[in-house]
Amino acid sequence: AQKITQTQPGMFVQEKEAVTLDCTYDTSDPSYGLFWYKQPSSGEMIFLIYQGSYDQQNATEGRYSLNFQKARKSANLVISASQLGDSAMYFCAHSPGYSSASKIIFGSGTRLSIRP
Amino acid sequence: DAGVTQSPTHLIKTRGQHVTLRCSPISGHKSVSWYQQVLGQGPQFIFQYYEKEERGRGNFPDRFSARQFPNYSSELNVNALLLGDSALYLCASSLPGQGGEQFFGPGTRLTVL
Repeated sequence: AQKITQTQPGMFVQEKEAVTLDCTYDTSDPSYGLFWYKQPSSGEMIFLIYQGSYDQQNATEGRYSLNFQKARKSANLVISASQLGDSAMYFCAHSPGYSSASKIIFGSGTRLSIRP
Repeated sequence: DAGVTQSPTHLIKTRGQHVTLRCSPISGHKSVSWYQQVLGQGPQFIFQYYEKEERGRGNFPDRFSARQFPNYSSELNVNALLLGDSALYLCASSLPGQGGEQFFGPGTRLTVL
C-alpha cells in the first residue's frame, strides 16, 4: 500500500528565507504522481505543484520547486523567498498511476509558520 | 469559470442521524472524489467516481455511500452518524488522463453531537 511520510509536524521560518518541507513515499506502483497542497486556516486545499514519476526534470511553479529523488523515494518541496502568506499546513500526496483519476493518499502535513 | 462548489458549508447533526453532502465539479470535469479530514490530520480518501461509476473506495464502513449524477455532480451520504464522523469533508474534481492536479472545493464542516 502507498504511504506518505512527513516528518516535520511544524516549522518556523524567517520571512524571505527559503524553506524545505520533507516528504518521503513508499509505493510499488511503476508509475505514479506526487503532489503538494497548501491548506490555509480557511480549510480549502490549494494545489501547488505536481511531479510525475517519469518526469526527467524537477517540477517548478513560481516560487515552488519539487526536489524529486526517485531512488530515495523523496519529494521535498522548496519554497524560495518565503512570505507571510505562506503560513499554512502543507500536505505531500501520492496518486497511483499517471492519471489524476486516481485516489490521492495524503501525508500528515507540516504546519509552516513564517515570522516577520 | 467557477471552481468546485460544495454545500452546505457547515452542518450540525446528532448521533444516529443521516446526512447528505453535495458537490458540483468544475465544468467539464467528469471525475469526482470525496475525502474526509479529521482535525489535525491529512485528508483520507473515501470515494472516487468517474462517468457515474465508482472507480475507487477507501477504507470506510458501508454507512458511507455516494453517487454521481448525469451532470457529474455528486452526493456523499452518511448513515447512522457517529461522533467520530465529525470532520471536514472535501470534494475534488479532475480531468482524468492528464496526470495532474485534483481541484478541491471549500469543504463541508460536519459536526456530530
